[in-house]
Amino acid sequence: AQTVTQSQPEMSVQEAETVTLSCTYDTSENNYYLFWYKQPPSRQMILVIRQEAYKQQNATENRFSVNFQKAAKSFSLKISDSQLGDTAMYFCAFLTSGYALNFGKGTSLLVTP
Amino acid sequence: EADIYQTPRYLVIGTGKKITLECSQTMGHDKMYWYQQDPGMELHLIHYSYGVNSTEKGDLSSESTVSRIRTEHFPLTLESARPSHTSQYLCASSESPASDYTEAFFGQGTRLTVV
Repeated sequence: AQTVTQSQPEMSVQEAETVTLSCTYDTSENNYYLFWYKQPPSRQMILVIRQEAYKQQNATENRFSVNFQKAAKSFSLKISDSQLGDTAMYFCAFLTSGYALNFGKGTSLLVTP
Repeated sequence: EADIYQTPRYLVIGTGKKITLECSQTMGHDKMYWYQQDPGMELHLIHYSYGVNSTEKGDLSSESTVSRIRTEHFPLTLESARPSHTSQYLCASSESPASDYTEAFFGQGTRLTVV
């Protein structure tokens, strides 16, 4: 079975600063996908960034980037130049063939002025 | 914009009633999921499907049932609602990992309150 662990239940960052959310996972699979999802208060869950395990290059989407360490089974999300609209729950998720999408418990991020 | 729809968005219903939460997607995705989530909390997988006539129970024990008669439709049914079923229910869909495009899309959720 796959497990996803987010060890930071809550985090806070000031506007324009950088914050890193951590995620570790456990799997015996070699081919899989990792995701960070964002769930703003009372709004729809949306994909922030995706990483394929076979790609060594870390994924980047504008202000969002990941640090993917396959050997360490670590997948952290870095948000640069934080904005008030980044306030949300962030979920790390894991997907591999034959299993359902598996989520961590989430990190509640608050961006303050 | 995600083409996955859940109805109703909000539902208040009395104890003992039978309810069906609807979920439909127009992307032709094979995989569909139902998650239960209390506000601001983690997601618990309650059901998933790999395709038509394929359904599996998730990690969280649930008194609900699902069906997958058509690719695009994955309804969830509670035969007899109880206050403990009060929660938000999220439906999602994705393609199989073999595809280049493996993003899971989520519906807007159904917030269920059983009184």
